[in-house]
Amino acid sequence: DAGVIQSPRHEVTEMGQEVTLRCKPISGHNSLFWYRQTMMRGLELLIYFNNNVPIDDSGMPEDRFSAKMPNASFSTLKIQPSEPRDSAVYFCASSPRTGTYGYTFGSGTRLTVV
Amino acid sequence: GNSVTQMEGPVTLSEEAFLTINCTYTATGYPSLFWYVQYPGEGLQLLLKATKADDKGSNKGFEATYRKETTSFHLEKGSVQVSDSAVYFCALSDPLRTGTASKLTFGTGTRLQVTL
Repeated sequence: DAGVIQSPRHEVTEMGQEVTLRCKPISGHNSLFWYRQTMMRGLELLIYFNNNVPIDDSGMPEDRFSAKMPNASFSTLKIQPSEPRDSAVYFCASSPRTGTYGYTFGSGTRLTVV
Repeated sequence: GNSVTQMEGPVTLSEEAFLTINCTYTATGYPSLFWYVQYPGEGLQLLLKATKADDKGSNKGFEATYRKETTSFHLEKGSVQVSDSAVYFCALSDPLRTGTASKLTFGTGTRLQVTL
């Protein structure tokens, strides 16, 4: 298995531009999670999906952030408009349905907003 | 709510030293407990886990024992190597959700630096 695949690995964009981050979970995993990691705040859960349905988006910082999961093999996290304070590493993770498994994380997207 | 508390880092050790990274948790019910490791520039990787009290998780020379009486899951390794330098995260699963993947609560991470 190729693991959780995220793209792009690095993204540099100008303030105000739209940014879309992509994630392909492991086949057969029913849950998908988006995390943001910064030095100041550590690892923050933004949103998670079970069976393509958003379950908890309370971690999404504001309306500029949106996430979708149109099917079991693809998810996007969009920031529009982007701001310098959005600069962080964004991780996607997936997990099988039942509860005692941990997550498998992707390698992350390092976003820099200038 | 659930929470995980890890010792502050960074932890700096010489190669072959003994490692302990403390982790305590607060949760209702009986969570599963995990240690993840993050190497520079990479995502988090599952290092080991324990799903019930007194279970010992182990991998790559690392061990942690699920202690319900002290609500702890301390990470240990008898002899660290330079290649163990990374950030280590303790986490617990939400024991209340059934039929779905559990939501993990992570600690803040502890940076380990091993020198020659």
